Amino acid sequence: TQLLEQSPQFLSIQEGENLTVYCNSSSVFSSLQWYRQEPGEGPVLLVTVVTGGEVKKLKRLTFQFGDARKDSSLHITAAQPGDTGLYLCSLNNFNKFYFGSGTKLNVKP
Amino acid sequence: ETGVTQTPRHLVMGMTNKKSLKCEQHLGHNAMYWYKQSAKKPLELMFVYSLEERVENNSVPSRFSPECPNSSHLFLHLHTLQPEDSALYLCASSQGEGEGYGYTFGSGTRLTVV
Repeated sequence: TQLLEQSPQFLSIQEGENLTVYCNSSSVFSSLQWYRQEPGEGPVLLVTVVTGGEVKKLKRLTFQFGDARKDSSLHITAAQPGDTGLYLCSLNNFNKFYFGSGTKLNVKP
Repeated sequence: ETGVTQTPRHLVMGMTNKKSLKCEQHLGHNAMYWYKQSAKKPLELMFVYSLEERVENNSVPSRFSPECPNSSHLFLHLHTLQPEDSALYLCASSQGEGEGYGYTFGSGTRLTVV
């Protein structure tokens, strides 16, 4: 059983659409990171959230940390082809990092 | 430029070969990691080094042998690998080991064992 569940696993949308991807855990965790990984490259850190209920914005990306610190969401507004990639969430629990399997996003022009 | 450099980018090796993967960071980070990324599976933590000392080894087979000669360099020595070891091997570094610190990843080495 995975500690982290990400959904959906795959998402294919048209340019300009909005989307939300989710990261859920059965455990409370102290911090969570979101990464984007492009084909043939390593993951790149997008954001770290540490406070329950926290919302962070990075241009068209909005990250929310659940009040109970067991879940998180990433919302992308007006998706662009450059947003295509694998979105990974990672949680820190007692100094151990765990990764989800990711959401593979494809934004078609 | 991610700040973490991995070489080679691609490696094909036979099951009887010995090879090494190299990782280098000049970010002043104190912790370095090896991860394995296989298709349709979450990233698997293999080894953690903090201040050049190995602090975690997640039941990795002995055919994988890490080395951290200093805080900027990390190696993964490979010998007698199996085809199921084919994967993307990612090196990462962080400012500290653990809570609140995100990773800076390298671009990875795509390993194919034939």
